[in-house]
Amino acid sequence: AQSVAQPEDQVNVAEGNPLTVKCTYSVSGNPYLFWYVQYPNRGLQFLLKYITGDNLVKGSYGFEAEFNKSQTSFHLKKPSALVSDSALYFCAVRDINGGFKTIFGAGTRLFVKA
Amino acid sequence: GAVVSQHPSRVICKSGTSVKIECRSLDFQATTMFWYRQFPKQSLMLMATSNEGSKATYEQGVEKDKFLINHASLTLSTLTVTSAHPEDSSFYICSAGDLNYGYTFGSGTRLTVV
Repeated sequence: AQSVAQPEDQVNVAEGNPLTVKCTYSVSGNPYLFWYVQYPNRGLQFLLKYITGDNLVKGSYGFEAEFNKSQTSFHLKKPSALVSDSALYFCAVRDINGGFKTIFGAGTRLFVKA
Repeated sequence: GAVVSQHPSRVICKSGTSVKIECRSLDFQATTMFWYRQFPKQSLMLMATSNEGSKATYEQGVEKDKFLINHASLTLSTLTVTSAHPEDSSFYICSAGDLNYGYTFGSGTRLTVV
């Protein structure tokens, strides 16, 4: 069965420092991987996706993620964090051999301190 | 870009009443839409897949008679919470889109049953 793990409930980082939000996945076939951000009482906003091609994917707001097939990881990164990046981040996977369902990780809350 | 509109954003209802939530794709046609439920500080749980012109596919454990889904057109899916109870209070989110380009999420509906 497909699954997504976000091992950290919370990540704290100082403004200006690089940030990493971790994600590992498990699927039976080739994965479609996504990162979403959610602000309080709001829906999800798409950040970036990996389908195929270059393992380093660049997305919105300066975020990027690296697909690592051998480690089955898709960690979200940003070189320099902003206070406004503070939000809830979800990693998601869609198994192309499993229909159109998207499975979400538990979410990681990012706090960026000024 | 793909825009998904969800209405209402907030609703308070009395126990025993029914509430309808609408999900519209504004600038594209969506043969498939998805309904998610999110409990406080938790991830999104897929409730059902809404298919235009046919019955919805419910995830295991989701009561299809309680959460009625209708996808009558290519731009509209509705979720009706029937005979609502306080435990149905939650944040409901729909999504629609394309397998290759990712899915766009609605802004969510905060349901409070009193």
